Amino acid sequence: AQSVTQLDSHVSVSEGTPVLLRCNYSSSYSPSLFWYVQHPNKGLQLLLKYTSAATLVKGINGFEAEFKKSETSFHLTKPSAHMSDAAEYFCVGSGNTPLVFGKGTRLSVIA
Amino acid sequence: EAGVAQSPRYKIIEKRQSVAFWCNPISGHATLYWYQQILGQGPKLLIQFQNNGVVDDSQLPKDRFSAERLKGVDSTLKIQPAKLEDSAVYLCASSLPALAGSPYEQYFGPGTRLTVT
Repeated sequence: AQSVTQLDSHVSVSEGTPVLLRCNYSSSYSPSLFWYVQHPNKGLQLLLKYTSAATLVKGINGFEAEFKKSETSFHLTKPSAHMSDAAEYFCVGSGNTPLVFGKGTRLSVIA
Repeated sequence: EAGVAQSPRYKIIEKRQSVAFWCNPISGHATLYWYQQILGQGPKLLIQFQNNGVVDDSQLPKDRFSAERLKGVDSTLKIQPAKLEDSAVYLCASSLPALAGSPYEQYFGPGTRLTVT
């Protein structure tokens, strides 16, 4: 069965420093993986998606994620955090099932 | 392009009352989803429509929740009667039909925040 685990419920970084949000997946199938962002009182927005075409996926707003099959991971990174990055981030998986969301990681950015 | 529209944005009801939510998907999106997001958790799929047919409603509490998409466009989700544990944000999303081997991208509306007192 498809499942995703976000390893941190809350991450706090200083503005201008790197961001790392961790996600592990488990799947009996070759997974499709996504990262979504949710700002307060706004809908979920797709940051990036893994389609098996390339293991390093670039998304919007400078975010990227690397699919590592050996580690069953799909961590989200950004070289330099901006105040506007403060939000809830969801790692999402889909094999032969509907989307399965992780529990979310709340990113705080300190000025 | 216009996004997914939902109404109302907020709703407060007492337990045992009824409530309905409305969703208008992106034009041309045949697939529509309703999710429940409880505070502090990720969204959970309640029901998935393909045009006006139900694809997956395995996690829909059918004794109190119902949903319809009669003309294959707009959809309504109803709760009757509501319980305290139904307090959550109800998200609607839409997408093009998934192609073989290609993951489908879902577009989400802003959600309806339901508080049951």
